[in-house]
Amino acid sequence: EAGVAQSPRYKIIEKRQSVAFWCNPISGHATLYWYQQILGQGPKLLIQFQNNGVVDDSQLPKDRFSAERLKGVDSTLKIQPAKLEDSAVYLCASSTGLGHKSEQYFGPGTRLTVT
Amino acid sequence: AQSVTQPDIHITVSEGASLELRCNYSYGATPYLFWYVQSPGQGLQLLLKYFSGDTLVQGIKGFEAEFKRSQSSFNLRKPSVHWSDAAEYFCAVGPLNSGNTPLVFGKGTRLSVIA
Repeated sequence: EAGVAQSPRYKIIEKRQSVAFWCNPISGHATLYWYQQILGQGPKLLIQFQNNGVVDDSQLPKDRFSAERLKGVDSTLKIQPAKLEDSAVYLCASSTGLGHKSEQYFGPGTRLTVT
Repeated sequence: AQSVTQPDIHITVSEGASLELRCNYSYGATPYLFWYVQSPGQGLQLLLKYFSGDTLVQGIKGFEAEFKRSQSSFNLRKPSVHWSDAAEYFCAVGPLNSGNTPLVFGKGTRLSVIA
């Protein structure tokens, strides 16, 4: 079974530029998560989708971050414009359903460096 | 609010020695508890989880964890560490009765293994 795929793996941009990350979850997984992991910290949830609907985006900085999952499968996370403090690893995860009994499977992440 | 504390930022152990990684949580009731491992350049992998029942939980790769309600702790243990166990370990907590509330992660403990 293929795991969660993410691209690109690495990205370097200058502040005020825009960037987009892509995630392909495990086939059949209805729930998709985007996490931000700043160096030296644990992952922090940015947004959670159930199929193509948003379940939780309370920690998403909506003035610069956006995410979509139009067909309930792939998802993109965009930052526009980027700030220095956005430098982090962005992790995508998927699970079969809502609730913590549904194990989350994580992708390898995209490491973003903003200069 | 939920919180997770991993008091040790970095631990070094000799190969073959025993290991204990500490995790303390703050939550008003019994939560769901998790331990994840993150190898360099990889996403997070679930080692084990506690929902209810037996307070000693067995996981993958020879790891186990014990839930102690009186101490609000969920420490991870392994009797004999292998060099391949070198990685970052994250403890996480999720509320028992709300499937949509995101997991809260600790800041992680980096494990180094020496010969």
